[in-house]
Amino acid sequence: AQKVTQAQTEISVVEKEDVTLDCVYETRDTTYYLFWYKQPPSGELVFLIRRNSFDEQNEISGRYSWNFQKSTSSFNFTITASQVVDSAVYFCALIQGAQKLVFGQGTRLTINP
Amino acid sequence: KAGVTQTPRYLIKTRGQQVTLSCSPISGHRSVSWYQQTPGQGLQFLFEYFSETQRNKGNFPGRFSGRQFSNSRSEMNVSTLELGDSALYLCASSLRYQGGRQETQYFGPGTRLLVL
Repeated sequence: AQKVTQAQTEISVVEKEDVTLDCVYETRDTTYYLFWYKQPPSGELVFLIRRNSFDEQNEISGRYSWNFQKSTSSFNFTITASQVVDSAVYFCALIQGAQKLVFGQGTRLTINP
Repeated sequence: KAGVTQTPRYLIKTRGQQVTLSCSPISGHRSVSWYQQTPGQGLQFLFEYFSETQRNKGNFPGRFSGRQFSNSRSEMNVSTLELGDSALYLCASSLRYQGGRQETQYFGPGTRLLVL
């Protein structure tokens, strides 16, 4: 069975601080894909990144970076120099085989000015 | 390119009624998936349609059904509504799984359903 765990339910930081959102996954398959989505108050899930299980290279996109480690089954997301606009609920998700995303419970991130 | 659109955005129904939600995928996307989001259960997969056929189904009762049209637009229907069906229903579209490559699902704004 597949499972995604986001142990941090809520995080609150002051603007310009760096913040890391943790994601741990479970799957028996060797081929799978991991995703991060952002959900602002409007409700729409906004795609941020996709990683396949054969690509452990870390990625940086502006202030966002992702660290994928198969050895610890983790796919963590770091926001550098956070901004108020980063406030949202962030979801980590896993997909393997069938077109069915398995989501973590989400981390509510609040950036205070 | 226009994103995924969902109608209506908000809906209020009473117990026992039925409801139909609509989703138009991104142009060129042929797979449409539906998810239910509630505070208690989080985001859960309902079903996926591709080429007008249901390909995958989540663990939901038969009251939840859907269909897909030849233009890839999809509808989902919930019959005999219960209070617990109050949720945000999200639709996602993708190019679908092709040759071992899992395509990204792009989500619409959702339909907020309140059952009274």
